[in-house]
Amino acid sequence: GDSVTQMEGPVTLSEEAFLTINCTYTATGYPSLFWYVQYPGEGLQLLLKATKADDKGSNKGFEATYRKETTSFHLEKGSVQVSDSAVYFCALSGTGGSYIPTFGRGTSLIVHP
Amino acid sequence: SAVISQKPSRDICQRGTSLTIQCQVDSQVTMMFWYRQQPGQSLTLIATANQGSEATYESGFVIDKFPISRPNLTFSTLTVSNMSPEDSSIYLCSAVTEGNTEAFFGQGTRLTVV
Repeated sequence: GDSVTQMEGPVTLSEEAFLTINCTYTATGYPSLFWYVQYPGEGLQLLLKATKADDKGSNKGFEATYRKETTSFHLEKGSVQVSDSAVYFCALSGTGGSYIPTFGRGTSLIVHP
Repeated sequence: SAVISQKPSRDICQRGTSLTIQCQVDSQVTMMFWYRQQPGQSLTLIATANQGSEATYESGFVIDKFPISRPNLTFSTLTVSNMSPEDSSIYLCSAVTEGNTEAFFGQGTRLTVV
């Protein structure tokens, strides 16, 4: 079945550092790929998405590129802020006609001033 | 996008009791589902809520423990029955809306069973 693998956390960075959170997937067909963010005490919010190969999703300074050849969708941000501290989930959906997302384990990001 | 209203946002319940969580979506919905998120963990799909018929449950989840209703396109409830401390989790309602591929989420219900 479909699966998503994320790097283990927590990832701890200083403010203004560069962020990469790795995500790779296994899926049949051509899924849509997503990054969701969960701030402390809140539900999940869609951060960005990409629906086909070579698409780049971007939002709030975060970006990720759908790489079919490496089955990856790594999340990047050039300069993190304390307010970016949250848990980030990589997900996929759309294989076999299903839009139920399959999630990775989540990666906690902690940004220090 | 869609706005999903979920309530209650949190509750503390006695073991052996039941809690019903409500979920309302403000847009045309194609799919609704329920997830459980245990502390520090990822999301586990409980079931897909089907309008007017029985929900489709994932392995490890049964209707007697987690009855789900979906009387119309935009509203669903999840009941956590005969609760035990192991049911302490965040329960999340989710929906995919018309014309979108992404799922939207409610704020979650933080359940503590004592």
